[in-house]
Amino acid sequence: GENVEQHPSTLSVQEGDSAVIKCTYSDSASNYFPWYKQELGKGPQLIIDIRSNVGEKKDQRIAVTLNKTAKHFSLHITETQPEDSAVYFCAASISSGGNKLVFGAGTILRVKS
Amino acid sequence: DAGVIQSPRHEVTEMGQEVTLRCKPISGHDYLFWYRQTMMRGLELLIYFNNNVPIDDSGMPEDRFSAKMPNASFSTLKIQPSEPRDSAVYFCASNLRVGGRNEQFFGPGTRLTVL
Repeated sequence: GENVEQHPSTLSVQEGDSAVIKCTYSDSASNYFPWYKQELGKGPQLIIDIRSNVGEKKDQRIAVTLNKTAKHFSLHITETQPEDSAVYFCAASISSGGNKLVFGAGTILRVKS
Repeated sequence: DAGVIQSPRHEVTEMGQEVTLRCKPISGHDYLFWYRQTMMRGLELLIYFNNNVPIDDSGMPEDRFSAKMPNASFSTLKIQPSEPRDSAVYFCASNLRVGGRNEQFFGPGTRLTVL
């Protein structure tokens, strides 16, 4: 089955700096890669996603890149703000394999002001 | 829409007791998922339903866990008997799969403590 590894487990950056979180997946059939943000006491919320026919996607200060050959994808947050502090999860799924997402272990991001 | 609704938000019970967690998915969504989140194991998929039918329950830890979806607007996750190692936050999520996009909308979770 699919396995998703996520690094780093914790990341501390200064406000205004960039943050990068990386994930690798094992199943080359995976074709959908979402990123979720979880704030304290809440459920995860989708922030951006990418499909395997696209190499990069951007939404304001966040962007995701995908390298299908290497089977890895990354989340980039620029101009970080204190409200970006949260736990971030990557996930992967195979659209032909039902609707199942396999999540990475999560990254605790702390933005210091 | 109110989003995914879960109840209770917090549950404290004693070992051996039956626990029932409830979920109301977003209206119109045809998939429903139950997850468990712990520090040690992260976010684990327990079971998911499509059109009220269980599709994959391979993540259900053992026979003490059971889940039902009697209709499109309600699902339960039951633990009987409960054990301290079941303490975790349980999330319900739903989605409407459109064009291969699998965005799942999560509820606020139920924090379960088994003493």
